[in-house]
Amino acid sequence: GAVVSQHPSRVICKSGTSVKIECRSLDFQATTMFWYRQFPKKSLMLMATSNEGSKATYEQGVEKDKFLINHASLTLSTLTVTSAHPEDSSFYICSASGPGPPPPHGYTFGSGTRLTVV
Amino acid sequence: KQEVTQIPAALSVPEGENLVLNCSFTDSAIYNLQWFRQDPGKGLTSLLLIQSSQREQTSGRLNASLDKSSGRSTLYIAASQPGDSATYLCAVRHGGSQGNLIFGKGTKLSVKP
Repeated sequence: GAVVSQHPSRVICKSGTSVKIECRSLDFQATTMFWYRQFPKKSLMLMATSNEGSKATYEQGVEKDKFLINHASLTLSTLTVTSAHPEDSSFYICSASGPGPPPPHGYTFGSGTRLTVV
Repeated sequence: KQEVTQIPAALSVPEGENLVLNCSFTDSAIYNLQWFRQDPGKGLTSLLLIQSSQREQTSGRLNASLDKSSGRSTLYIAASQPGDSATYLCAVRHGGSQGNLIFGKGTKLSVKP
């Protein structure tokens, strides 16, 4: 149980275009989604936290107009990178949690999306 | 501000060795601590989760300990295998059960056959 599906796993886009990344909870209701990004040889950094039906809360330094997060249902959250630049190239990964305390092995992560902007 | 540090950054060992990965954190007010495995270009696989009230957790050849007061955790891997080669990430959770995770940079492990 507690499976999170994230796709695409890899995407290459041109500068100036927008890219949408989806994160779906397959067998539970994800009341909260966390979006992280990871630069090479760096830690995973939290970008934003979204609760279903509410606006996302962004971490300091993350542009909310550039990284649009939608969490309109209990099974789907999307991250849209708008007007992508090469410096947005990174590994993006989501994590989902349901109501109540985390399961024994903690919250479930998606498989990640490798974004390359050319 | 919580900071998580993992030492060493990289480790190469021959197959069969027992090894220890270290994680330290600056703020002991954590909800829990989690160890993950990340294969190149892949997502995260949760290995072990230790609640703040616990001292250790075991799963197969893996054993994780937590000393919250000193801000340290270790991941012990027994009888290492080439398939254990991956990056191991330590993360602490703040803000209760719904809080986010703060990650270390990871230890890249290579187990040579």
